Amino acid sequence: DIQMTQSPSSLSASVGDRVTITCRASQDISGWIGWFQQKPEKAPKSLMYATSRLESGVPSRFSGSGSGTHFTLTISSLQPEDFATYYCQQYSTYPVTFGGGTKVEI
Amino acid sequence: QVHLVESGGGVVQPGRSLRLSCAASGFIFSNYGMHWVRQPPGKGLEWVAVMWYDGSTEYYVDSVKGRFTISRDNSKNTLYLQMNSLRAEDTAVYYCARDWDKGQSGYFNYWGQGALVAVSS
Repeated sequence: DIQMTQSPSSLSASVGDRVTITCRASQDISGWIGWFQQKPEKAPKSLMYATSRLESGVPSRFSGSGSGTHFTLTISSLQPEDFATYYCQQYSTYPVTFGGGTKVEI
Repeated sequence: QVHLVESGGGVVQPGRSLRLSCAASGFIFSNYGMHWVRQPPGKGLEWVAVMWYDGSTEYYVDSVKGRFTISRDNSKNTLYLQMNSLRAEDTAVYYCARDWDKGQSGYFNYWGQGALVAVSS
C-alpha cells in the first residue's frame, strides 16, 4: 500500500498568512493526489484533484503543486473560514490512502 | 445538486452485524462508482470500500476484507455496506462518497453527512 506522510500535523497561523502543507507519498503517484478540508463535526469537502485542479467553487487562494512523491497545498492568504483540518489522498492505486491530516489553528 | 444521505448507524455489540445505506439523488447514480470512507472519533480518514458504477468490481481495505460487503441497487439509487463480525476498532463515522468517474478514479468529489457506528458491549 502507498503511505502518505503529511506535515505538519498542526500549525498556528493568523488571518492573511501564507500557509503550506506538505504530503509525501511512499512511491510515485503520478500526480494523482487530492486535497480535502474538514471542519469540526462536518463531512470532508473536496478541494482539489490531480495535484492542482480546483473543485468548482473553491477560492483561488488555494493552490496545489508537486510531482512524483512530493506535493503541497498552499493557502495564499488565510481567511477565517479556512481554519480546519486538511487531508491529502492518493488515488494512483487501490487501496486509496490518506495522509494523517493537518490542523490549521488560529 | 448531488445529495448523499447515509442511514442505518447505531450502537451494536462486538461480533454483531449492521447494514448502512446511502441514498443518492441529484445525479445519474448508475453512472458513478461509489465509496465508503470512515473516520474513528478524533482520528483521520480511512477509505473502506469501492464499487464500480455497474457493480462489476469492488475493492476493500485489508482490515475489513471478509467481514464487510459493499453493494448497490441502481434501480433504487442506493449504496449499501453490510458489516459483519463488528469489532471495537470499527467504531467510526461512515461516509458514503461519489467517485469522480465510474469507480476506477478513486477520487471522491461528493460526500454524505456521515453515519455513526459505535461497537460496544
